[in-house]
Amino acid sequence: DIQMTQSPSSLSASVGDRVTITCQASQDIRIYLNWYQQKPGKAPKLLIYDASKLEIGVPKRFSGSRSGTDFTITISSLQPEDVATYYCQQYNSFPFTFGQGTKLEI
Amino acid sequence: EVQLVESGGGLVQPGRSLRLSCKTSGFTFGDYGLSWFRQAPGKGLEWLTFIRSEAYGGTTEYAASVKGRFTISRDDSEGIAYLQMNTLKPEDTAVYYCARVRCTSCSGLYDIWGQGTMVTVSS
Repeated sequence: DIQMTQSPSSLSASVGDRVTITCQASQDIRIYLNWYQQKPGKAPKLLIYDASKLEIGVPKRFSGSRSGTDFTITISSLQPEDVATYYCQQYNSFPFTFGQGTKLEI
Repeated sequence: EVQLVESGGGLVQPGRSLRLSCKTSGFTFGDYGLSWFRQAPGKGLEWLTFIRSEAYGGTTEYAASVKGRFTISRDDSEGIAYLQMNTLKPEDTAVYYCARVRCTSCSGLYDIWGQGTMVTVSS
């Protein structure tokens, strides 16, 4: 199985800060990496797919990038509504696997 | 509006069975693959299983943690997907989500999720 190592596990930042979360795959997953946002008691929401494509309706302050097996999601200017847990997920091969999650606080 | 609604969760004793349903609306269910996920209390997300559309053979995939105990199925005429869970264990306690793939040829990209249904396995 492909292991997804996500860091940090938690993060505290201020409104307006630039925030970056990283996910490293244990093997090549090409571009097949999604980022989800999950708020307490809610289902995950797709933010970015194929490593860098912004899902429709997601604010442009979110962006994704890839360098080999390293992936990042960046929030260019943190907003209060961005408080959530963020997960990466690979879908290069079954079984699909998630990172451990990053809890983002303000 | 595209929507998924899970049901069937509840309290069940270890070793017993439970069947979850994922009722869909707002799209042609038969054209899309669908997965089940779970999230144990205070823990992260876990992918469990995937069923392809009939156009792609209707075949299935499973995580090792549930293979042989859980079975995914679909009723395209009713727009419902099911998760049959047998020989339940306390570690199966979680919120269970169904989710639709984003496109008809996709297999791992999920854009529509249900609200989840809680399953508690305890004596």
